[in-house]
Amino acid sequence: DTGVSQDPRHKITKRGQNVTFRCDPISEHNRLYWYRQTLGQGPEFLTYFQNEAQLEKSRLLSDRFSAERPKGSFSTLEIQRTEQGDSAMYLCASSSGTSGSIDEQYFGPGTRLTVT
Amino acid sequence: QKEVEQDPGPLSVPEGAIVSLNCTYSNSAFQYFMWYRQYSRKGPELLMYTYSSGNKEDGRFTAQVDKSSKYISLFIRDSQPSDSATYLCATYLSGGYQKVTFGTGTKLQVIP
Repeated sequence: DTGVSQDPRHKITKRGQNVTFRCDPISEHNRLYWYRQTLGQGPEFLTYFQNEAQLEKSRLLSDRFSAERPKGSFSTLEIQRTEQGDSAMYLCASSSGTSGSIDEQYFGPGTRLTVT
Repeated sequence: QKEVEQDPGPLSVPEGAIVSLNCTYSNSAFQYFMWYRQYSRKGPELLMYTYSSGNKEDGRFTAQVDKSSKYISLFIRDSQPSDSATYLCATYLSGGYQKVTFGTGTKLQVIP
């Protein structure tokens, strides 16, 4: 078990460019989440996948954002036409979907996006 | 008003001190209450959780929830320099998936 991995760890891009981030969850975890964390704030929920199905999207996820999990394993988060306000840490988490008790989410190290 | 409010600190204490971290929440439907620890340049990791009201102890850490006042606390006894991190309180509704709502986090520094 190597934990949740994210790539890249840091991305610097110019305003207006598109960026894509990748998340590899813990193997056999069927739930995957994306969060955004800005400086001095806690993570904010963006979206959630159960296997390959995207079951909920936050209002924070504007139409410039799209997330996929094509085979129920890794996931990608794409931001089109980036804006300076998109600068943040993008965190991915996965969980096994255990019922009856807490379904612990395991977080990756995050991708820090800087939009210049 | 945010669903979970947390004093952002920072909080600086000498080694060995007792640390008290606190949050309030607004949605009385929240059932699970969690504390995450986040080291610099890392993702959050679950430290401990409680279900509904009550206390839970794990080594030097004690989590308390008072649902009547919508108050969440984390106490750290005999604090160590390795406890220096940002502590995030979090909650979620029972049932279904975990759409976790986080507080802003309190940055703690334990000085040797």
